[in-house]
Amino acid sequence: DTAVSQTPKYLVTQMGNDKSIKCEQNLGHDTMYWYKQDSKKFLKIMFSYNNKELIINETVPNRFSPKSPDKAHLNLHINSLELGDSAVYFCASSQDSGSGTGELFFGEGSRLTVL
Amino acid sequence: AQSVAQPEDQVNVAEGNPLTVKCTYSVSGNPYLFWYVQYPNRGLQFLLKYITGDNLVKGSYGFEAEFNKSQTSFHLKKPSALVSDSALYFCAVRDIYNTDKLIFGTGTRLQVFP
Repeated sequence: DTAVSQTPKYLVTQMGNDKSIKCEQNLGHDTMYWYKQDSKKFLKIMFSYNNKELIINETVPNRFSPKSPDKAHLNLHINSLELGDSAVYFCASSQDSGSGTGELFFGEGSRLTVL
Repeated sequence: AQSVAQPEDQVNVAEGNPLTVKCTYSVSGNPYLFWYVQYPNRGLQFLLKYITGDNLVKGSYGFEAEFNKSQTSFHLKKPSALVSDSALYFCAVRDIYNTDKLIFGTGTRLQVFP
């Protein structure tokens, strides 16, 4: 079983459209994250949720809205897609509410291409 | 603010030779440091971490890292490189004073030649 799974793996869409990426973890972790990896491979955190509560919102445009229906799921919805949103989006989870000692487990990524 | 720096965009090494991928950190307080590897078109995989204790940390796939407080470094090492080690390596620090987020370096591409 995949520990952190994301769907879809690839997403190609037109500017202005709205799209969602889903993430599920079966590790029993309390905290989930969304990271964005740009074309230069830089990784930047976007959001984190702990037990369905938003912890980090890293100055991301409000076109991006995370939703956590339960602690095993964290979805990312993007409105009015722009060319600059093209990137690989990674979901991750960890089990260490605030201690800082636990590693993050990452999904395989969702490559979004906006045309 | 907590940060890590990876001064090399790419490291080239011949198979069988030792490899080092460099990382320096800037943190207030105790550093919680991590190394991750990313193979092409894959997610990041955890290699090892330093939280406290022994300065030499052993991790997955024969990798190890040495925590050096005086030099504020956490270099990744392997005694004998394999072609299959070719990948993108990220150093990271956990910002426990600010939302506990994991902050990544810019990554170093390791190329191991046969």
